[in-house]
Amino acid sequence: DIQMTQSPSSVSASVGDKITITCRASQGISSWLAWYQQKPEKAPKSLIYAASSLQSGVPSRFSGSGSGTDFTLTISSLQPEDFATYYCQQYHSYPLTFGGGTKVEIK
Amino acid sequence: QVQLQESGPGLVKPSQTLSLTCTVSGGSISSGTYYWSWIRQPAGKGLEWIGRVYTRGSTNYNPSLKSRVTMSVDTSKNQFSLKLTSVTAADTAVYYCARGSPSDGFDIWGQGTMVTVSS
Repeated sequence: DIQMTQSPSSVSASVGDKITITCRASQGISSWLAWYQQKPEKAPKSLIYAASSLQSGVPSRFSGSGSGTDFTLTISSLQPEDFATYYCQQYHSYPLTFGGGTKVEIK
Repeated sequence: QVQLQESGPGLVKPSQTLSLTCTVSGGSISSGTYYWSWIRQPAGKGLEWIGRVYTRGSTNYNPSLKSRVTMSVDTSKNQFSLKLTSVTAADTAVYYCARGSPSDGFDIWGQGTMVTVSS
């Protein structure tokens, strides 16, 4: 199985801050990586696919980069609605696997 | 637009079979090159992929659950389903259905349904 490791596991930030979340795959996955946002008691929402492509309707303050084993999700200017947990997921090979999540909290 | 809705019992007894259905609305389950997946999340924990099924019937399951999982599609009802046998308390979780594609990951998710395994 491909292990997905996210860091940090949590981050405290203020509205307007720029934050970066890292996701590392245990082996190369090309650009077959997605990012999801999950708010409490809600289903995950797709933000980014193919490592850097923004899903329709997702604000441009979200961006993704990387390929191979190292990936990042950046939020350029945190908004109140962005406080949530973020997950990366590889879809290079089965079983599909998710990172452990990064909780973005209000400082 | 396409929406997914999970349904099934919220309480299952240990050793019994968990059965869930996901109904696809706003589009045909057979259109495009999508696959249909189940993903679960125990309370306070991360996401675990259970498996996926294509409308032509091919499946892939997580090896950690493979011996207990069966997924199927009913195109006439625009539904796909999950059966998980011999459940234990460790199977207690919110179960999500989701639409995936080989190029885009999971773009649409159901709202999730809580399943508790308890006597």
